[in-house]
Amino acid sequence: ETGVTQTPRHLVMGMTNKKSLKCEQHLGHNAMYWYKQSAKKPLELMFVYSLEERVENNSVPSRFSPECPNSSHLFLHLHTLQPEDSALYLCASSQDQDSYYEQYFGPGTRLTVT
Amino acid sequence: QKEVEQDPGPLSVPEGAIVSLNCTYSNSAFQYFMWYRQYSRKGPELLMYTYSSGNKEDGRFTAQVDKSSKYISLFIRDSQPSDSATYLCAMYRGSYIPTFGRGTSLIVHP
Repeated sequence: ETGVTQTPRHLVMGMTNKKSLKCEQHLGHNAMYWYKQSAKKPLELMFVYSLEERVENNSVPSRFSPECPNSSHLFLHLHTLQPEDSALYLCASSQDQDSYYEQYFGPGTRLTVT
Repeated sequence: QKEVEQDPGPLSVPEGAIVSLNCTYSNSAFQYFMWYRQYSRKGPELLMYTYSSGNKEDGRFTAQVDKSSKYISLFIRDSQPSDSATYLCAMYRGSYIPTFGRGTSLIVHP
């Protein structure tokens, strides 16, 4: 595997379900990011992790819970989501926190909340 | 007024044309300016980034930043059908929270 991978690629969940999105980077980077891309809206940063420490929560509701167990893996735990949370969730990484302007994205998880 | 404005298109051009993609912004504090290409069902791919004003060239791609006009451009020379994608501009104020444009859909037809 190379670059940034994300699983699953597609997910359908009900509003009462709990699910997790997984991201893995194979680039030796130390910073990882979660983004949300909704139809017709700009890409929005959700969370930033640097060396497994969360350094930014960009006003994200608590029904989204990130976890970074090591510098290669990032999870986004989802619970009691709303239909408006349906979107493409993208993971990215950069060499370190200071190289935030040079990020590499994964292919995304297409989430549908029913 | 949105912080970053980008025409969603679609912009349709014949193969070989010079393409000009643009974003305008309102916040003079932006310092880093980036262009991403996003193919359907894929994540964004960083094409180029520029710090402050000026031009940057990479192969068929040229990025320009005009801070006095708060205007950035991406030019694609000798456009190819494989350039058909959505192009996103993004900007940073010096922290790691970016502001993205909505993206411009480009179609290059043979």
